[in-house]
This record gives sequence, C-alpha cells and structure tokens, in this order.
Amino acid sequence: RKEVEQDPGPFNVPEGATVAFNCTYSNSASQSFFWYRQDCRKEPKLLMSVYSSGNEDGRFTAQLNRASQYISLLIRDSKLSDSATYLCVVTSGAGSYQLTFGKGTKLSVIP
Amino acid sequence: GAVVSQHPSRVICKSGTSVKIECRSLDFQATTMFWYRQFPKQSLMLMATSNEGSKATYEQGVEKDKFLINHASLTLSTLTVTSAHPEDSSFYICSATHWGGGRSYEQYFGPGTRLTVT
Repeated sequence: RKEVEQDPGPFNVPEGATVAFNCTYSNSASQSFFWYRQDCRKEPKLLMSVYSSGNEDGRFTAQLNRASQYISLLIRDSKLSDSATYLCVVTSGAGSYQLTFGKGTKLSVIP
Repeated sequence: GAVVSQHPSRVICKSGTSVKIECRSLDFQATTMFWYRQFPKQSLMLMATSNEGSKATYEQGVEKDKFLINHASLTLSTLTVTSAHPEDSSFYICSATHWGGGRSYEQYFGPGTRLTVT
C-alpha cells in the first residue's frame, strides 16, 4: 500500500464548479497534514494545513478524519487559476518533520 | 513569508561531470533543509535531510557518495551530483524548515533546479 494515495485524476471541470479531492494515508503516526498545489514545472506551494476540526480558507475547505486516515479538499466556485496539481502531504511519523507526498491530482478548470 | 532560493534554475551537463546546486534561505535561519527529486508525473521523493553542521541523513536507495550534501551554515545547503548520468536528469527541489510560531512543520520550498544530463 502506498504511503499517501490520491485520486488519480485528471479532473476537468467548468469554471464555477465545485470539486473534491480525496486522500488516504497509511502511517497512523502522522501528525501534520497539508495540501500543496504545484503548477507545471514549478515547486510545490503550501495551500493549507489540515486540522482535525476542519478548516476553511475562502473557497477552500479541508477536512481530516484520523480514524479513517482520510483527508479531503473541497474547492468551491472553481477559477481558471485553480488549474494545477494538488498534492496531499503528511508528516512521516510522530515527532517527524519529514514530509511524504502523494502523487497529486491534476485539476484543469475549463472556461 | 519565508523565501528559499535555488541556483541554478536549470543546468545541462555532459555525462560524467559534476553539478552543484545551491539552496539558500533568504530571510530566515533554517536549521534543517531537505532535498527532493521529482521525475515527470511522479511525486516528490525525499533524498536526504540536512542539518546545519552535521552529516546529512540519506533515504534508502540514495547513494551518499553520489549525492554530496553540505550544510555549512544556517542559510545555505548544497547538493553536488557527482559523475552525473542521464538517469540523474530530474527536477531537484530543496526545502527549509522554519521553526517557531506554532508552525514548526511547515516547509518552504525553493523554485527547483532542472538538471539535464546529456
């Protein structure tokens, strides 16, 4: 089983659509969780951290279910600029600051 | 926000030569820097963890004699790919950890270096 698994994608959605990304992780000792976005041939950029209570940042909502080892990201009212690859990222274990990256899900928002 | 730079952004070299990549934290002190490699359509793979003033810790399968890492100061880490071969062609990305402010696990990424070995 891969350490961090994501929807394979790609997701092609029209502007204004709502899109959801799912992610599961295998290491139950992981303590910190993130969503990053990566544009083509660029470095990853932190989109948001994910907390057990769920958190929202504008059009983006992240959820974490520790029992199911499941993380989600919801994007509402998609914009063309949201087109990117979204990476689910977790820390490698208790007390660790090493990050384990999912393969990413590519999103294309179409006019 | 914290800024991390990398140099060069792109390099093409001949097989058998060595290439040095620099990673700098510009506005903060990074006690720990990480080096990743990303092949096309693959996830970032951690190569090594570099702590200032000590030897780097390499991930399984990464040859420490081929990928030399030096972290001589709190703002600079270097990765040298020795005797590069075409299979070393990849996107190399560094990141730095900025401790404090309750965000100790946040890493800041450099813009990456695209290495092509001919």
